[in-house]
Amino acid sequence: GIQVEQSPPDLILQEGANSTLRCNFSDSVNNLQWFHQNPWGQLINLFYIPSGTKQNGRLSATTVATERYSLLYISSSQTTDSGVYFCAPRMDSSYKLIFGSGTRLLVRP
Amino acid sequence: DGGITQSPKYLFRKEGQNVTLSCEQNLNHDAMYWYRQDPGQGLRLIYYSQIVNDFQKGDIAEGYSVSREKKESFPLTVTSAQKNPTAFYLCASSIGGNIQYFGAGTRLSVL
Repeated sequence: GIQVEQSPPDLILQEGANSTLRCNFSDSVNNLQWFHQNPWGQLINLFYIPSGTKQNGRLSATTVATERYSLLYISSSQTTDSGVYFCAPRMDSSYKLIFGSGTRLLVRP
Repeated sequence: DGGITQSPKYLFRKEGQNVTLSCEQNLNHDAMYWYRQDPGQGLRLIYYSQIVNDFQKGDIAEGYSVSREKKESFPLTVTSAQKNPTAFYLCASSIGGNIQYFGAGTRLSVL
């Protein structure tokens, strides 16, 4: 099955810093979602991005499906950005999302 | 408010007991999913249902059962055959294969 690798596994930032999270996947995908899991476990949708670039405030994401990767950019990080970020591609002709192991982000004040 | 409601938030299971986790959605979504998350890991798919009265096994279905009698509801039963049930369980729904939205989860522990 499809393999999903996220990097880095852990990241510590000072408030105000920028960061880039990467998601590599091993097969062609139909779409891809980025999530933020807060400390209470809630999964929050960030982006639905099968290809191209999208922006939402301080966050933006880019997926290059032909090269099998997606990037999540966080600018001017805040302590509330702390948590785990997951990418989850969906394979062609399937409803299943395949989750990576996540990037654990800690933003210090 | 439209959304996905999971209950209970916390659940304890005794040895040999079956327990049922509830998932209800009022988003009029046709597809629903159950995922399991172990500490420090990503989510793994247990079961999913694309339409009422139909469901498919995911990657880790052994020891679990589901039903889909109503569009709004997709309960998950953790049976006594599941020998390591302690985990965080998340329910999701979507319109077709599009964006999946998640509930707040149920934490299951073994007494």
